[in-house]
Amino acid sequence: SQQGEEDPQALSIQEGENATMNCSYKTSINNLQWYRQNSGRGLVHLILIRSNEREKHSGRLRVTLDTSKKSSSLLITASRAADTASYFCATEGWDSGYALNFGKGTSLLVTP
Amino acid sequence: DGGITQSPKYLFRKEGQNVTLSCEQNLNHDAMYWYRQDPGQGLRLIYYSQIVNDFQKGDIAEGYSVSREKKESFPLTVTSAQKNPTAFYLCASSPVQANEKLFFGSGTQLSVL
Repeated sequence: SQQGEEDPQALSIQEGENATMNCSYKTSINNLQWYRQNSGRGLVHLILIRSNEREKHSGRLRVTLDTSKKSSSLLITASRAADTASYFCATEGWDSGYALNFGKGTSLLVTP
Repeated sequence: DGGITQSPKYLFRKEGQNVTLSCEQNLNHDAMYWYRQDPGQGLRLIYYSQIVNDFQKGDIAEGYSVSREKKESFPLTVTSAQKNPTAFYLCASSPVQANEKLFFGSGTQLSVL
């Protein structure tokens, strides 16, 4: 069952701009994760934020979590063409042994 | 190199045929997962295994089967009962349980001839 839902579905920006994508989920969580997928490849883990955290940074990535609104955002600062990829949020599935549920993703295009 | 290896990268299935996708990991992870990804879609869970010789159905298990005879290996068979098998299949693993970080293979694209 898909719990996370990303917004927007697609985002196009120029190099140097910031990219923000959002994720909404339905049930309570222990943590929320963001993954990146280059076309035709597997997913790569970017960052994990726990339910008792409000903000987390990793390099040019900033993730926020608002458990009251059941939402998270991923900010990529100073985007590069190499950031072009699809980005997915994931939460654990309470009814599937904590296997992760993924949203449909945001497709990010960064043009030079 | 440590990681997850999926093979083959591309696979073609004839109607009525069963095909098996391989997934091997050398990360010493207990849990392994199979996801299906359709174009422009998210990942949907097919099967998962948290320990050797045990596995559970995910959201879309019909038409698929798995085995977990060794910790390192979690092959997925797409049976002839799966009427719409064309998709990108991703295998993943995690140390204990998946609400921590998942490690993914590079995927297998399955197409129907």
